[in-house]
Amino acid sequence: GENVEQHPSTLSVQEGDSAVIKCTYSDSASNYFPWYKQELGKGPQLIIDIRSNVGEKKDQRIAVTLNKTAKHFSLHITETQPEDSAVYFCAASKNTGNQFYFGTGTSLTVIP
Amino acid sequence: SAVISQKPSRDICQRGTSLTIQCQVDSQVTMMFWYRQQPGQSLTLIATANQGSEATYESGFVIDKFPISRPNLTFSTLTVSNMSPEDSSIYLCSVCRMNTEAFFGQGTRLTVV
Repeated sequence: GENVEQHPSTLSVQEGDSAVIKCTYSDSASNYFPWYKQELGKGPQLIIDIRSNVGEKKDQRIAVTLNKTAKHFSLHITETQPEDSAVYFCAASKNTGNQFYFGTGTSLTVIP
Repeated sequence: SAVISQKPSRDICQRGTSLTIQCQVDSQVTMMFWYRQQPGQSLTLIATANQGSEATYESGFVIDKFPISRPNLTFSTLTVSNMSPEDSSIYLCSVCRMNTEAFFGQGTRLTVV
């Protein structure tokens, strides 16, 4: 089965700085890679995703990059704000069955 | 996006009892899943809820402990049976639409005492 690893487990940045979270996956058949943000007491919310046919995707301050050869993908948050503080999860899946394998999560703290 | 209502949002239960969690979606979805998130941990898939047939369970999870129903394309229930303190977790319903995007309910925070 798929194994998704995520680093770092905790990350603290000053407001306005950038934050980078990295994930690796093991199954070369995985082709869809979403990122979720989970705030305290809430369910995970999809913030950005990327499919295996592209190498980078950007949405305002958030970007995701994918290296299929190395089987790793990263989340980049620029100009961080205190409201970005949350736990972020990466995930991987194949189209068939839509089963998601999640990373272990990164607790991001943005210091005002 | 999909609007997912999950009930209850939290509960405190006595060991040995059972709790049924409900998941209602605002429109028909193909796939519905149940996840468990233990304190400070990531999400672990319990099972895929199949409409009209028995759920498909992941390794380590069995139907006797986590019976699941899915009577139609918008509703599913997960029961946590014969609970012990080790079952204290957040249980999350997830649905898939448009083939790959997955959306989550707000979760049910279960504490077993």
